[in-house]
Amino acid sequence: DTGVSQDPRHKITKRGQNVTFRCDPISEHNRLYWYRQTLGQGPEFLTYFQNEAQLEKSRLLSDRFSAERPKGSFSTLEIQRTEQGDSAMYLCASSTTSGRTSTDTQYFGPGTRLTVL
Amino acid sequence: GQNIDQPTEMTATEGAIVQINCTYQTSGFNGLFWYQQHAGEAPTFLSYNVLDGLEEKGRFSSFLSRSKGYSYLLLKELQMKDSASYLCAENSGYSTLTFGKGTMLLVSP
Repeated sequence: DTGVSQDPRHKITKRGQNVTFRCDPISEHNRLYWYRQTLGQGPEFLTYFQNEAQLEKSRLLSDRFSAERPKGSFSTLEIQRTEQGDSAMYLCASSTTSGRTSTDTQYFGPGTRLTVL
Repeated sequence: GQNIDQPTEMTATEGAIVQINCTYQTSGFNGLFWYQQHAGEAPTFLSYNVLDGLEEKGRFSSFLSRSKGYSYLLLKELQMKDSASYLCAENSGYSTLTFGKGTMLLVSP
């Protein structure tokens, strides 16, 4: 399977706990994106990386959220002091582009469904 | 602003044709995408338009009019498995996508 993979697929946690999700992009894709999706809504952009550099973060992204892509391959998304409002599907996507302007297609992983009790 | 509007729900009959509309309001337009998403699954890429006109891929076609900020996804010969949410997404900046809320399509026998 050479698609985007995410781990875990499901996570249940108690309010106030920290959680970390992992995303493995399609091999050799240099761009990696994190989105969040709640029921009845489209995916909402959180942040993205080109190689190991984090190039953009949504203004909606709380400082409790942090993402890394240390070697330009897999990425982790950490949520500290989780709140019930953080319950959502967290989607990772990857793409490849050779130029600065981007019209590259993003391919999504299966997502991690987070439930905060 | 980056308002993307698409109908919330649509219903159609197996074998029929359905058109899902999407309008957007943004500057720096850099392409429009359509994704299909089945319940509980990740979005899967269907089509991409950056120039005006119709792009056809099998049973699915997508149209774009940049001057009108308008796109549609056309699904022909509907099958039961086409029941899903269809997401319109606009690339208006460096790389990120802004999604609409999705159109839930229900195909009935």
